[in-house]
Amino acid sequence: EAGVVQSPRYKIIEKKQPVAFWCNPISGHNTLYWYLQNLGQGPELLIRYENEEAVDDSQLPKDRFSAERLKGVDSTLKIQPAELGDSAVYLCASSFGQGSDNEQFFGPGTRLTVL
Amino acid sequence: GNSVTQMEGPVTLSEEAFLTINCTYTATGYPSLFWYVQYPGEGLQLLLKATKADDKGSNKGFEATYRKETTSFHLEKGSVQVSDSAVYFCALSRNSGYSTLTFGKGTMLLVSP
Repeated sequence: EAGVVQSPRYKIIEKKQPVAFWCNPISGHNTLYWYLQNLGQGPELLIRYENEEAVDDSQLPKDRFSAERLKGVDSTLKIQPAELGDSAVYLCASSFGQGSDNEQFFGPGTRLTVL
Repeated sequence: GNSVTQMEGPVTLSEEAFLTINCTYTATGYPSLFWYVQYPGEGLQLLLKATKADDKGSNKGFEATYRKETTSFHLEKGSVQVSDSAVYFCALSRNSGYSTLTFGKGTMLLVSP
């Protein structure tokens, strides 16, 4: 079974530029998560989708970040404009179902560097 | 709110040594507890989990016991290998409603031959 796919793996941009990350979850997984992982820290949830509905976006900085999950499958996370402090790894994860002990499967992440 | 505290790394061990990585948590209710592992260049993978007090999760020689009285979930392995070198994350999930993971900062383990 294919895992969670993310692209690109690495992205370098200058500040104030826009950037987008793409995630394709495991087939059949209805729940999709975007996490932010700063260097030396654990992942922090940005947004969670149940199918195409964003059910928890309380930690998403909505002034510059946006996300969508059209058709309830793959998802895109966008930053516009990017700031120096956005340099981090952006992780996508998916799970089947929404119970508290359902395993989340993580992609390899996109490492963003903002210059 | 919910939080997870892990011992700081890196933890440096020789092959076949005993491993303990401490993890304590603060949470309301009765969370589920997890250990995730991140190998270099790869995504996080679930290593083991426990969903209620006194449960023991185990996988690949690693074990952790859910201790409600000490709010701990320490990771142990009797004999580490070089291939165990990775970053280990302790996490919790509220045991009601949706599955939101709260992670610790991670502990890097370096095992030398």
